[in-house]
Amino acid sequence: QSMLTQPPSVSGAPGQRVTFSCTGSSSNIGASYDVHWYQQPPGTAPKLLIYNNINRPSGVPDRFSGSKSGTSASLAITGLQADDEADYYCQSYDTSLSGWVFGGGTKLTVL
Amino acid sequence: QVQLVQSGAEVKKPGASVRVSCKASGYTFTSRSHGITWVRQAPGQGLEWVGWVFPYNGNTKYAQKLQGRVTMTTDTSTSTAYMELGSLISDDTAVYYCARDPGDYRVDHWGQGTLVTVSS
Repeated sequence: QSMLTQPPSVSGAPGQRVTFSCTGSSSNIGASYDVHWYQQPPGTAPKLLIYNNINRPSGVPDRFSGSKSGTSASLAITGLQADDEADYYCQSYDTSLSGWVFGGGTKLTVL
Repeated sequence: QVQLVQSGAEVKKPGASVRVSCKASGYTFTSRSHGITWVRQAPGQGLEWVGWVFPYNGNTKYAQKLQGRVTMTTDTSTSTAYMELGSLISDDTAVYYCARDPGDYRVDHWGQGTLVTVSS
């Protein structure tokens, strides 16, 4: 069982806005550790999408945005496109494990 | 550009060991700022952190559940990182990824992944 909880699936139509939640605890997100988001299209390696809660690496469109509050974080995608269909993972650091933790991932389906 | 190229797929029997390599290019491998993190993904499952190694000083940190079975090393002369996992069990069957760690508990570039299959 993941230390970070993500819903297993999210769906939306092209052009819509979707959000992904990532719920942690006082030993990870709530302990002020940053949250990072990765996108993994089917059959490929993950790719960094958002780092340090809100920052986008160069090349990532501003349709993608992140936020963090308390023991949770969120990823939002606006103007949904077909090639956004992928698995999305949140990741942080956990003091009780003294290591990194990933959420279980959320599968995005573009209808 | 930053590239991480991993070794090919492996098939191992239970109880054996496996070593996966990850050759880095496009940046200073021994930079004080960059480590190599290993992440694995079992078939149809999510991502799991395995550990990291800092080529600058050889420091390592491993996931608690793999302590005692995993060893991470680097060869700075060839800019290559290695992850060795011993006493393999079927649950170790996974794609193993190496990734560059810029030093703030995240990764920014990933290798292509190496499938390790443990089967009798």
